[in-house]
Amino acid sequence: EVQLVQSGAEVKKPGATVKISCKFSGDTFIGYYMFWVQQAPGKGPQWMGLIDPENGETIYAEKLQGRVTITADTSTDTAYMELSSLRSEDSAVYYCATVRSNSPGGYYYYYYMDVWGKGTTVTVSS
Amino acid sequence: EIVLMQSPGTLSLSPGERATLSCRASQSVRSGFLAWYQQKPGQPPRLLIYGASSRATGIPDRFGGSGSGTDFTLTIRRLEPEDFAVYFCQHYGGSPLTFGQGTKVEIK
Repeated sequence: EVQLVQSGAEVKKPGATVKISCKFSGDTFIGYYMFWVQQAPGKGPQWMGLIDPENGETIYAEKLQGRVTITADTSTDTAYMELSSLRSEDSAVYYCATVRSNSPGGYYYYYYMDVWGKGTTVTVSS
Repeated sequence: EIVLMQSPGTLSLSPGERATLSCRASQSVRSGFLAWYQQKPGQPPRLLIYGASSRATGIPDRFGGSGSGTDFTLTIRRLEPEDFAVYFCQHYGGSPLTFGQGTKVEIK
């Protein structure tokens, strides 16, 4: 069974950078796509981007372009999401999620999100 | 960007009743690449439906998805106590992937 374990809660000042980790287990990391999703309190989720750990290819949401960096370390089966120039509106729960790359019902890197981490709360406050 | 509008915002029903949730897209969703998720407080979303109508692994058959183009529906045939939650639709037919704002199904 695939599981995703995320790093702990973070408190950051405006302008700082946060980096969250997501440890994958239960299957072969290469062969899954990793997504990152932001959810502000009381709001719907917002997709931030994705990575294919096999080749490192990334696709980012345009509204976050330049502030978000997603990476994957295949030696530790861990994905990372780094968000820079933090502002108060970035206070949210951040989830990693995954789907097997040959799952039915998707195409290219565009898929639904099958397994989710429990989330990491990021608070941005001066 | 495809904007997904979910309705109603809140649905007040009793256990055993049927729930019908709507998700309308601002433009046609390619090949029915639409998913539904359930989220309970303090938990991550849980995948229910992908490809507009295919149930994810382990999802009971009281959950059903339908629709195409711009109009999609999630139906919960007979509400169980554990079904009271917030439901989101999501399109994944291209970038950016987007989610609806959610429908809360609450106990009447």
